[in-house]
Amino acid sequence: QQQVKQSPQSLIVQKGGIPIINCAYENTAFDYFPWYQQFPGKGPALLIAIRPDVSEKKEGRFTISFNKSAKQFSLHIMDSQPGDSATYFCAAAGGSEKLVFGKGTKLTVNP
Amino acid sequence: GAGVSQSPRYKVAKRGQDVALRCDPISGHVSLFWYQQALGQGPEFLTYFQNEAQLDKSGLPSDRFFAERPEGSVSTLKIQRTQQEDSAVYLCASSPRDVTDTQYFGPGTRLTVL
Repeated sequence: QQQVKQSPQSLIVQKGGIPIINCAYENTAFDYFPWYQQFPGKGPALLIAIRPDVSEKKEGRFTISFNKSAKQFSLHIMDSQPGDSATYFCAAAGGSEKLVFGKGTKLTVNP
Repeated sequence: GAGVSQSPRYKVAKRGQDVALRCDPISGHVSLFWYQQALGQGPEFLTYFQNEAQLDKSGLPSDRFFAERPEGSVSTLKIQRTQQEDSAVYLCASSPRDVTDTQYFGPGTRLTVL
């Protein structure tokens, strides 16, 4: 059973667009929700993370929106650039649960 | 500063061979994690150490997989009698404290079993 469901699987936007990636979870014990960015041949790198006590967090061009009642969270990338082209993973952890990842979204930002 | 390093970066093994994958975490990091990432998928948890203690090995797919961190720093993931389904990228991550602390990933070891 997949604990974190991520969509879409792939996404193509033009430079300057605002891609949005969505994730949903079931386990109410989760209390830590990070997003990771992965380039080909590299390990995932933490982009931004949120805990359930806030509904939104911004770091630079990246924003997480969190809806605790719906058990959903999303990543928005403002003013997207070709260098943002990568695979993005949402994840969740909490209580005694280890970090579980979504299946990933391959983002392509066209010039 | 030095990040998490893994060696080898690429490993090709014949089915039935044993392999050993090494992870050097960030100095001083208490926790160390191993993940398996299949092509086009997210990382999947294998096992977790806090210092030298292996606190969770629930993700290890079979008893052919074994991990150790004897001195609480470097860790080795060993796979015995490799099978084709073991082909994947094996990622190591370390964090200053626990599972909800930021995890810093290494570049991974790509294992191909022929």
